[in-house]
Amino acid sequence: KNQVEQSPQSLIILEGKNCTLQCNYTVSPFSNLRWYKQDTGRGPVSLTIMTFSENTKSNGRYTATLDADTKQSSLHITASQLSDSASYICVVSFLYGNKLVFGAGTILRVKS
Amino acid sequence: DAGITQSPRHKVTETGTPVTLRCHQTENHRYMYWYRQDPGHGLRLIHYSYGVKDTDKGEVSDGYSVSRSKTEDFLLTLESATSSQTSVYFCAISESVIGGTEAFFGQGTRLTVV
Repeated sequence: KNQVEQSPQSLIILEGKNCTLQCNYTVSPFSNLRWYKQDTGRGPVSLTIMTFSENTKSNGRYTATLDADTKQSSLHITASQLSDSASYICVVSFLYGNKLVFGAGTILRVKS
Repeated sequence: DAGITQSPRHKVTETGTPVTLRCHQTENHRYMYWYRQDPGHGLRLIHYSYGVKDTDKGEVSDGYSVSRSKTEDFLLTLESATSSQTSVYFCAISESVIGGTEAFFGQGTRLTVV
């Protein structure tokens, strides 16, 4: 079954600290992996997109890594800010067809 | 936000009534999608469209129908709303999801079926 699993389910960190979110997937054949940020009451917004040939991609304080051999990805957030409080969703695209498989998300809360 | 507008943003309806949600885009993207988001679940695809009058089912299509008569509009209809259809519904658009093309999401519609 094609699945995307994320861990942890939720996380609380202090402002200024770093954190890493994990994503494991079984989607095959694989096209690309995306990380989205979803603020409460809003739609998801893309942070990064990586194809199978890319190992890492950064977007400001967000850095995503991908290991296509082990089917694992991580999202590292550096020097967290209160505005980073959101749900972070890992999404994998099939190689064929226009379909995305979504993880359930990690809820991050950054507190001062 | 990319030019995607969902309407209404909130709706409360009674069990058994038909409900139509609208997604309007100004980006001229070929693909449009309807997802639902429930606690503890990732977004799940209801239906999608790959062109005017071209639609296909997603993984949770039972009880839903869609129509796309114009490039810019994609309608989702709950033919007879049930409490299990209480959810947040998101529309998304893209040129293609293959090869890294961006997908953009609307703000969501919160539907409550009582």
